[in-house]
Amino acid sequence: KAGVTQTPRYLIKTRGQQVTLSCSPISGHRSVSWYQQTPGQGLQFLFEYFSETQRNKGNFPGRFSGRQFSNSRSEMNVSTLELGDSALYLCASSLAPDDTQYFGPGTRLTVL
Amino acid sequence: AQTVTQSQPEMSVQEAETVTLSCTYDTSESNYYLFWYKQPPSRQMILVIRQEAYKQQNATENRFSVNFQKAAKSFSLKISDSQLGDTAMYFCAFLIIVDSNYQLIWGAGTKLIIKP
Repeated sequence: KAGVTQTPRYLIKTRGQQVTLSCSPISGHRSVSWYQQTPGQGLQFLFEYFSETQRNKGNFPGRFSGRQFSNSRSEMNVSTLELGDSALYLCASSLAPDDTQYFGPGTRLTVL
Repeated sequence: AQTVTQSQPEMSVQEAETVTLSCTYDTSESNYYLFWYKQPPSRQMILVIRQEAYKQQNATENRFSVNFQKAAKSFSLKISDSQLGDTAMYFCAFLIIVDSNYQLIWGAGTKLIIKP
């Protein structure tokens, strides 16, 4: 069974631009969670989707948004990029919200 | 507040030695799941082991085993016969209900270096 895939793997953007990251979960998994990882803040929870509904959201500004499609694929969007948004963005999928999360390889976003 | 504490920012051992990474957590809930993940230099987050809080038996996965002490809220990871490929950041986490939704709470991580 294929693992979690994330595209693109690397992105370079400039301040003020917007970006969309994509995550395809493991087949059969309906829950997708997103995390931001930075050296200073560690792993921070962004949001979680289950059956196309956002069930949980972390403490991030409204510039960070996401959605989940009927095939469980998820996208995350960051608008008006700031230098501090430079991070590794990790996506994880699970069968259900109370199940083990399996992670994708991440998208490395650099904001210049 | 739900928190996870990993008190060892960095550890270093010789190949083939046994190493134990510590993790303590704080919660008032009785039902939760505990995990150890590893993140090698490739940055891929990989599940190492999972423990259900209601199970008294400690989980084992090949060379990896845990010492789960629920009363003490302690969840340490033991790596036996350590290998160079075990070099990675190790994160302790627990899955718990927060405001009616499940959320994975993470520790800050322990950097483990296996020396040849």
